[in-house]
Amino acid sequence: DAGITQSPRHKVTETGTPVTLRCHQTENHRYMYWYRQDPGHGLRLIHYSYGVKDTDKGEVSDGYSVSRSKTEDFLLTLESATSSQTSVYFCATRTGVNEQFFGPGTRLTVL
Amino acid sequence: AQSVTQLGSHVSVSEGALVLLRCNYSSSVPPYLFWYVQYPNQGLQLLLKYTTGATLVKGINGFEAEFKKSETSFHLTKPSAHMSDAAEYFCAVSDGNNDMRFGAGTRLTVKP
Repeated sequence: DAGITQSPRHKVTETGTPVTLRCHQTENHRYMYWYRQDPGHGLRLIHYSYGVKDTDKGEVSDGYSVSRSKTEDFLLTLESATSSQTSVYFCATRTGVNEQFFGPGTRLTVL
Repeated sequence: AQSVTQLGSHVSVSEGALVLLRCNYSSSVPPYLFWYVQYPNQGLQLLLKYTTGATLVKGINGFEAEFKKSETSFHLTKPSAHMSDAAEYFCAVSDGNNDMRFGAGTRLTVKP
């Protein structure tokens, strides 16, 4: 357990509203990731960060933005939520040896 | 780009039987390979990983996997299944940096 918390754990929102998910880590890991998990797709990378204010896009970044103003916090924002963004979102961190540690997940439902 | 194929979205075994979960990968660079387990309503937990060195890797809870470069495979095995092994298992391949690709997952059911 790498001390990763995610908030909120569950959220229901309406189409068109902005949503921000938070990931907080206590291990001082440099790298942080946001994934979404959907049946039949496993986990797919949305965005990642390799340091404060340093971020890059992943495989499924459209409709999402991220920010990292502190080492311990990595925020994922859905600018205008759509039903296709209903999913379970996982945050992960990585040490230098490539192993990733995962948070407990946030279940997001967009109505 | 890298990719992972997990053969069989659902696998069912009897308690005490061999567990075999199949994973094949594609990678243009020497791969780092991982197996993760996910219990209901939880995040992913690392079972084992292959980076370099010995091709037979032992993990937690009695699981092991063998890296076979010639077959581009990294199958997960356990000699004797327990009820507590029921979960979803994900194979993943990484390039050693920030590109980690996951398979679609295999749900393991253990029958009493």
